Amino acid sequence: QLQLQESGPGLVKPSGTLSLTCSVSVGTIRSSDYYWAWIRQPPGKGLEWVGTIYNSGNTFYNPSLKSRATISVDASKNQFSLNVRSASAADTAFYYCARGTYGGSPAWGRGTLVTVSS
Amino acid sequence: EVVLRQSPATLSLSPGERATLSCRASQTVSSRYLTWYQQKPGQAPRVLIYAASTRATGIPDRFSGSGSGTDFTLTITRLEPEDFAVYYCQIYDSSRTWTFGQGTKVEIK
Repeated sequence: QLQLQESGPGLVKPSGTLSLTCSVSVGTIRSSDYYWAWIRQPPGKGLEWVGTIYNSGNTFYNPSLKSRATISVDASKNQFSLNVRSASAADTAFYYCARGTYGGSPAWGRGTLVTVSS
Repeated sequence: EVVLRQSPATLSLSPGERATLSCRASQTVSSRYLTWYQQKPGQAPRVLIYAASTRATGIPDRFSGSGSGTDFTLTITRLEPEDFAVYYCQIYDSSRTWTFGQGTKVEIK
């Protein structure tokens, strides 16, 4: 059964870089049947899409992050990653990685809380 | 950019009652990419319905989805105690973005 597992520091200093990795347990991350996404949720608030990466390497990001986000894939480890530069308290959230499909059911990880604080 | 508006914001019902949740898009979207999630406190969102009307694996048949174009509905025919949660709709649109509605909280009356 597919599992996605987020990992990374739970605490990031203001102006630092928030870095997370999502490990994919089943199948190849290179498959053209899927794409890979990050979503975040500030505590007590709604869900916000962060960005997506495709098999082609193309990436799309939420404009609200103002070009601070970068998503990349490490196919050798079957992982994909998120970096958010110049982090601030507004980036404090639960971060989820997910696998998207074209008409099928998405699959999500369990999420990880990242706090931006000194 | 597609905007999804969910209504009502809060639905107060008793166990056994029927819940009807609405998700309205600001423009026509493909029902193939409309997903409904359930989220309980402290948990990740769980996929209930994808492609507007297909139940995800393990989801009870009291949950059903319908709709097309700009109007979509999630129906829970008889609320069980474990169904009180927040529900989100989400669309994957032609600009390759994910957009979420603001959520509907189903609470115990």
